[in-house]
Amino acid sequence: GQNIDQPTEMTATEGAIVQINCTYQTSGFNGLFWYQQHAGEAPTFLSYNVLDGLEEKGRFSSFLSRSKGYSYLLLKELQMKDSASYLCAVRDSNYQLIWGAGTKLIIKP
Amino acid sequence: ETGVTQTPRHLVMGMTNKKSLKCEQHLGHNAMYWYKQSAKKPLELMFVYSLEERVENNSVPSRFSPECPNSSHLFLHLHTLQPEDSALYLCASSQSGTSGEETQYFGPGTRLLVL
Repeated sequence: GQNIDQPTEMTATEGAIVQINCTYQTSGFNGLFWYQQHAGEAPTFLSYNVLDGLEEKGRFSSFLSRSKGYSYLLLKELQMKDSASYLCAVRDSNYQLIWGAGTKLIIKP
Repeated sequence: ETGVTQTPRHLVMGMTNKKSLKCEQHLGHNAMYWYKQSAKKPLELMFVYSLEERVENNSVPSRFSPECPNSSHLFLHLHTLQPEDSALYLCASSQSGTSGEETQYFGPGTRLLVL
């Protein structure tokens, strides 16, 4: 079967750095997405990786290793507004998105 | 604002009611999706419309019925639902058929409670 694993919950301190990991086993690979979802709101697109390596977008970076079936989302200089759930999703060989259950990130002052 | 709107935002219905959820996208996309989001579970894809053609999803109960009258609008008709259908229903759209990301953009969702 197809599976996306990410931690259920993480806690970090304002101003610090946090890394949210995602491992996947899917039938084929056509890209990996990270989304942010604040409570009661729509998931919003953060990043897309299809080749190995690091993609940087301001305070957020996303890394991919296809050979290891692994990605992480790195958040720097954490702010209180970063408290949200972070969803990892992989597009499989049928171009369907397979979703993880999300990681709830709690930022403490 | 992601360019995808959904109404209503909240809905409470009895098991014998009939209601419809509406989604509209203002992004010029050619694919639209319905997802179910339950607490601490992955997003569950319910239906996909690509170029206004429905992609069958046999695992969704027949008490959920989608309708896509044009590329900008998507409905989910609900009838004789069960309490376990209570969840957040998300609509998304994307531009498919082109190489690259084909990122999905989500609406804010309808929070449904079935009593």
